[in-house]
Amino acid sequence: KAGVTQTPRYLIKTRGQQVTLSCSPISGHRSVSWYQQTPGQGLQFLFEYFSETQRNKGNFPGRFSGRQFSNSRSEMNVSTLELGDSALYLCATTLGGHNEQFFGPGTRLTVL
Amino acid sequence: DQQVKQNSPSLRVQEGRISILNCDYTNSMFDYFLWYKKYPAEGPTFLISISSIKDKNEDGRFTVFLNKSAKHLSLHIVPSQPGDSAVYFCAASARNTGNQFYFGTGTSLTVIP
Repeated sequence: KAGVTQTPRYLIKTRGQQVTLSCSPISGHRSVSWYQQTPGQGLQFLFEYFSETQRNKGNFPGRFSGRQFSNSRSEMNVSTLELGDSALYLCATTLGGHNEQFFGPGTRLTVL
Repeated sequence: DQQVKQNSPSLRVQEGRISILNCDYTNSMFDYFLWYKKYPAEGPTFLISISSIKDKNEDGRFTVFLNKSAKHLSLHIVPSQPGDSAVYFCAASARNTGNQFYFGTGTSLTVIP
């Protein structure tokens, strides 16, 4: 069974630009969650999508948004990038119930 | 507001000895706890979980202990092996919040051969 895939793996952008990251879940997984990892902050929860609906949302500004498609693939968008948005963005998927999440390798975003 | 805390950023242990990683939480609604292991340039990998109805769960060399009154959990690795060297994250969730997990900041474990 293929794992969680994230594209691109690395991205360099400049302040003010926007970026879209993609996550393809494990086949059959319907819940996709996004996390931001920065040094010293651990993994901060961004949001969770289930069946194309946002089910949970963390404490991030509205510049961070996401969506989920009918095939459960999810995209995350960050608009008006700031230097502080430089981080590793991880997506995690699960069948949908209260289960352990399976993580992708992450997208390393650098904002210059 | 960090609801899940790992107060030891790093830990060094001799091969063959026990590694004990600690985690504290503040939210009494949390009822499901997990440990993840992360190597550089990879996403976290699930290790072991425990639900609040238990106080111990074992899986091979890994055992997680939960002390609900102290809001504390720990991961024991016995015996420790060099391949266990990685960053370990604990995570917690409340069942009524779906899959919203709160993660600690991680503990970097180094097992010395």
